[in-house]
Amino acid sequence: EQQVQQSPASLVLQEAENAELQCSFSIFTNQVQWFYQRPGGRLVSLLYNPSGTKQSGRLTSTTVIKERRSSLHISSSQITDSGTYLCAMDLTNSAGNKLTFGIGTRVLVRP
Amino acid sequence: GPKVLQIPSHQIIDMGQMVTLNCDPVSNHLYFYWYKQILGQQMEFLVNFYNGKVMEKSKLFKDQFSVERPDGSYFTLKIQPTALEDSAVYFCASSLPGRYAEQFFGPGTRLTVL
Repeated sequence: EQQVQQSPASLVLQEAENAELQCSFSIFTNQVQWFYQRPGGRLVSLLYNPSGTKQSGRLTSTTVIKERRSSLHISSSQITDSGTYLCAMDLTNSAGNKLTFGIGTRVLVRP
Repeated sequence: GPKVLQIPSHQIIDMGQMVTLNCDPVSNHLYFYWYKQILGQQMEFLVNFYNGKVMEKSKLFKDQFSVERPDGSYFTLKIQPTALEDSAVYFCASSLPGRYAEQFFGPGTRLTVL
């Protein structure tokens, strides 16, 4: 069973459209991070958002810990936003931090 | 923001050889991590490292794997000997001490084992 579930699995947008990506997790955590992975594999950290709402440019993340979910809103999408969006969280109780990743949402923005 | 560097970006080696992947973490970070991503698959945790010791490792961290950070230099992942299934992109990360600290990731090293 996937401990971190992302939806939708894929998404096609027209340029300038908005998008909402969802992430849900199996147990409570206080560490949620969103990443963007380029088609070539390079990983870019987007937002660290363990709770509440956080914004960076056109990206807004909202995490509701008690409901075990986090979302990433992309506004005014651009072609360069195409790629895979990953959410990750620490689901362990151990002293060393360890991120568990979702499978990702693949986003394609068309002109 | 803080940057983690990884060297090399690509490495191609023959099965059975040894390989060392290098990570230059954020300068004041004390926790270090390796993650593995096979092409088209999910990113998975390998190991974390603090104060000169492995704190936790996953089932993917085989006996052929080892990590170290000698004298505060690069944080390294060594695989000896390599196997075909070790082909993947390996991502290094670092963080400040503290539970739930944000992890900063490097761009990855693509390892191809022939």
